[in-house]
Formats: sequence, structure tokens, C-alpha cells
Amino acid sequence: QAVVTQEPSLTVSPGGTVTLTCGSSTGAVTSGHYPYWFQQKPGQAPRTLIYDTSNKHSWTPARFSGSLLGGKAALTLSGAQPEDEAEYYCLLSYSGARPVFGGGTKLTVL
Amino acid sequence: EVQLVESGGGLVQPGRSLRLSCTASGFTFGDYAMSWVRQAPGKGLEWVGFIRSKAYGGTTEYAASVKGRFTISRDDSKSIAYLQMNSLKTEDTAVYYCTLIDYWGQGTLVTVSS
Repeated sequence: QAVVTQEPSLTVSPGGTVTLTCGSSTGAVTSGHYPYWFQQKPGQAPRTLIYDTSNKHSWTPARFSGSLLGGKAALTLSGAQPEDEAEYYCLLSYSGARPVFGGGTKLTVL
Repeated sequence: EVQLVESGGGLVQPGRSLRLSCTASGFTFGDYAMSWVRQAPGKGLEWVGFIRSKAYGGTTEYAASVKGRFTISRDDSKSIAYLQMNSLKTEDTAVYYCTLIDYWGQGTLVTVSS
């Protein structure tokens, strides 16, 4: 089974910009992996922010964006707010239809 | 409004069985694949499996960690998805989420302990 890797933790200043990445042990992440990004706050269910690399839901704040960057999927937060402090997970789909979550990135806004 | 409500969690002894239900509303249930994702205490998300819609054969896929022990099924007439968990192990202790991937339920806690 593929391993999906994320930064264990990142810190961003309020108003700052940070990029979280999502890599695959099988090689470069492409749009064919249909990358998803989720936000989870303590005690809450995950919330989907980004689907299919860069598409946003109606509830996704405009300051979040998704892309492919250097062979990885990326989630960029521009203009971080205190309420963005959370755990962020990516999800990649592989042939054989067994998706794999990354280990998560704990984002601190400080 | 899409709603997913899990039920059926609780405390169960190792080796026993438990069935979780996911009651859906706000969308045409039969048109969508339904997934189960779990999260052990203090750990990350783990995909458990999913069931395709009838239009795609209603077939299932499972994570290696649960294959052969867990079974996902669906009743489109009731808009309910099920997760039948057999031969439970202590490492199956987790919050289990029903999800469309774009929408998530609030989860139900399953504790496997003697």
C-alpha cells in the first residue's frame, strides 16, 4: 500500500502564508490522484476544504487554495486566521480504488 | 441539506461483532458511493472502505486492516449504509465516520475492550 506523507507540524503567523504538502511513496502526485484536503478541529468531524486538487466547496474560505507543486499536492493558506489552527489531512486515490490518507499536519497560528 | 448520522457504536469485547448504521438525508442516496473512515484516539484518519452505487455494481473495497472482518452494505430504500464489524480487535477502537468524502457525519465511537 502506498504511503502518503505530510509535514507533521507547521507554524504560521496571523496574516501570514503557509503551504502544506502531500506526497506519495509511489512517485509524483498528479491530478489523477484526485487530491482532497480536510480540516479537523479538536472534537469535531473532518470538514472537506478542497477536492480534485483545487476545487473549493461553498463553505471553503477563499484564503485556502489547492494545487500541485513540485510533484506533490499542496494546500496554501494565505492570510492565516486564528480559527485556521487545526489538523489538516490530505487524501489520495490510487488505482484499485483504495484511497490513502496522509498522516496529517498540525497547523499552529502563532 | 446533506446529513449523515451514524449510530450503533459502543463498548464491545474483543472477538465480538457490532453493526454501525449511517442514515442519510438531503440527497439521492442511491446515486452515491458511501465510505467509512475511522480515527483511533489521538491518531489520524484511516480509510476503512466504501460501497459503490448500484449503477456501478454496488461493489465494495476495503482497507487491508479490515478486509475479511468488516462488511459494508446499503439499503437504498431506507437511505442507510451499514458497517458490519466482526472479530473485533482492540486496535479497532476508534470513532467511525460515515462520509461522502465531501460530507461527513459526526461519527460514532466504538470501543473494543474486555
